[in-house]
Amino acid sequence: AQTVTQSQPEMSVQEAETVTLSCTYDTSENNYYLFWYKQPPSRQMILVIRQEAYKQQNATENRFSVNFQKAAKSFSLKISDSQLGDTAMYFCAFMPNTGTASKLTFGTGTRLQVTL
Amino acid sequence: DVKVTQSSRYLVKRTGEKVFLECVQDMDHENMFWYRQDPGLGLRLIYFSYDVKMKEKGDIPEGYSVSREKKERFSLILESASTNQTSMYLCASINGWDKYYNEQFFGPGTRLTVL
Repeated sequence: AQTVTQSQPEMSVQEAETVTLSCTYDTSENNYYLFWYKQPPSRQMILVIRQEAYKQQNATENRFSVNFQKAAKSFSLKISDSQLGDTAMYFCAFMPNTGTASKLTFGTGTRLQVTL
Repeated sequence: DVKVTQSSRYLVKRTGEKVFLECVQDMDHENMFWYRQDPGLGLRLIYFSYDVKMKEKGDIPEGYSVSREKKERFSLILESASTNQTSMYLCASINGWDKYYNEQFFGPGTRLTVL
């Protein structure tokens, strides 16, 4: 069984600053996907960024990037130039790369508040 | 764009009532999921379905059942609602055969309150 741990229940960052959200996971799988999902106050969950475990290069999506450390089982999210619209719950999630679409295992979430 | 809709944004029911939560997706996805979201616990999987009429238990299936009679619709059923089932319920779907994307698409959620 997989577990995903987000040790920061709440974080705050000023607009235009950079913030890093932490995520660690535990698995015996060797091939898997990792995700960061964002849930704004309106509640619709959307995908922010994904990482394939066999790729060593860290994924980036505009202001969002990850630091993927496979040996350490760590998958942190960095948000650069934070904007008020980044205020949301952020969930880290794990999916094993099995033959068909698999279940996601989520962390408990980090509530990020971006302030002026 | 994938669209996942849920029948209600807010729902208030009484203890012992039978409750139906409906989820519909419009992208012909094979796989559908029901989660509940609680503060400090994240999202926990209740049930999922790989195909029509197929269902599998997730991590917390007790007190719930599901139905998938058509590919686009996945229903969550609370046979006899209890106060500890007060929660946010999220539905999600994913294309089971397009592993490249591997993105689950979520509905807006249903906030259920059981009195």
